Amino acid sequence: NAGVMQNPRHLVRRRGQEARLRCSPMKGHSHVYWYRQLPEEGLKFMVYLQKENIIDESGMPKERFSAEFPKEGPSILRIQQVVRGDSAAYFCASSLPGQGGYEQYFGPGTRLTVT
Amino acid sequence: AQSVTQLDSQVPVFEEAPVELRCNYSSSVSVYLFWYVQYPNQGLQLLLKYLSGSTLVESINGFEAEFNKSQTSFHLRKPSVHISDTAEYFCAVSETGGFKTIFGAGTRLFVKA
Repeated sequence: NAGVMQNPRHLVRRRGQEARLRCSPMKGHSHVYWYRQLPEEGLKFMVYLQKENIIDESGMPKERFSAEFPKEGPSILRIQQVVRGDSAAYFCASSLPGQGGYEQYFGPGTRLTVT
Repeated sequence: AQSVTQLDSQVPVFEEAPVELRCNYSSSVSVYLFWYVQYPNQGLQLLLKYLSGSTLVESINGFEAEFNKSQTSFHLRKPSVHISDTAEYFCAVSETGGFKTIFGAGTRLFVKA
């Protein structure tokens, strides 16, 4: 059973470009979470999605950031018009359906560098 | 609202010494508690979790954590650390019946020879 897959692992974008980060959850997992980890900081929750639904996006910046989890295919985190401050590691996690105590399985992350 | 505080940002320790990584949380409802470990340039992996029952939980590699409800703590301990334990450790909490997991800022454990 493959784990959570994220691609690309490393992404370099110039200021103003768009970044698309992909996440394929573990088989059987229908819940996806996105987190951002800035250098020397902890993990910050961004958004929680189920198939075709955004459940909680309270951690998403109001502008330039969007996320989706379509019925078919991976979850996408999209950052438009990137700025230097967007440089960070972005982690995706997935879990089984349910509430609370289910373990989240993390992908290896996408390290975004904005030049 | 929930929050998690990891009291130490870095903990240097010599190999084979004991270690305790501290974690306190706040929540108005009952919670599930987790410790995750992150090795360099990797994602997080679950180390151990408390859902219910015995307040002392153990991992397969010698770590243990004790849920203390009165002190709202979930400190992580290991009696004898190895060089390979060098990593960042994150404490996390989620409400029972909720879906969001809140992570602490992390504690960097550095084991020296």
